[in-house]
Amino acid sequence: SYELTQPPSVSVSPGQTARITCSGDTLPKQYAYWYQQKPGQAPVLVIYKDSERPSGIPERFSGSSSGTTVTLTISGVQAEDEADYYCQSADSSGTYVVFGGGTKLTVL
Amino acid sequence: EVQLVESGGGLVQPGGSLRLSCAASGFTFSTCWMHWVRQAPGKGLVWVSRINSEGSSTSYADSVKGRFTISRDNAKNTLYLQMNSLRAEDTAVYYCARNPDWGGYNMDVWGKGTTVTVSS
Repeated sequence: SYELTQPPSVSVSPGQTARITCSGDTLPKQYAYWYQQKPGQAPVLVIYKDSERPSGIPERFSGSSSGTTVTLTISGVQAEDEADYYCQSADSSGTYVVFGGGTKLTVL
Repeated sequence: EVQLVESGGGLVQPGGSLRLSCAASGFTFSTCWMHWVRQAPGKGLVWVSRINSEGSSTSYADSVKGRFTISRDNAKNTLYLQMNSLRAEDTAVYYCARNPDWGGYNMDVWGKGTTVTVSS
């Protein structure tokens, strides 16, 4: 089965830049998507197609891709950004959807 | 307002069945692919199934294949998930989600979820 690998946790101070990585063998061929999930809430899409930002998502959220790794960058982190973040993509055939294990972002 | 509202969750014994529903409003449901995603207590998101806009094409995670069936009624703007032969490991919050029309498998609108507990 196909897997996406994320670090379990990332910590940053307010105003700093947070970078959350996601690695997977098919990421050079399949787009990646990022979701933010706060406790007790449904996920929210924050980045689509590697680097596009849906309407309503703050500009401090950005995405990039390089080889088998994609990165979610949050510039000027705010306390409200503390949440779990999940990357998501598809397997090489484009049939199955897969999520990364999630990264807990802590704002110190 | 674009909205998805899940229902049908509850407590069921191992081996039992449940049917989840997801009522869509505020958008043209009949043109959208849809997904079910679940999240076990304290765990991460896990994709369960997806269906195309006409209901003619489906796919499932290996963990539910042969036990779960996704379907839709475009006349009623409703998505379904029939869950049979339920196991303890199926205990989770189940979310329905819309696949946006910018392409690729992803989810831009989510419901608040419905909780399924499989226990004797």
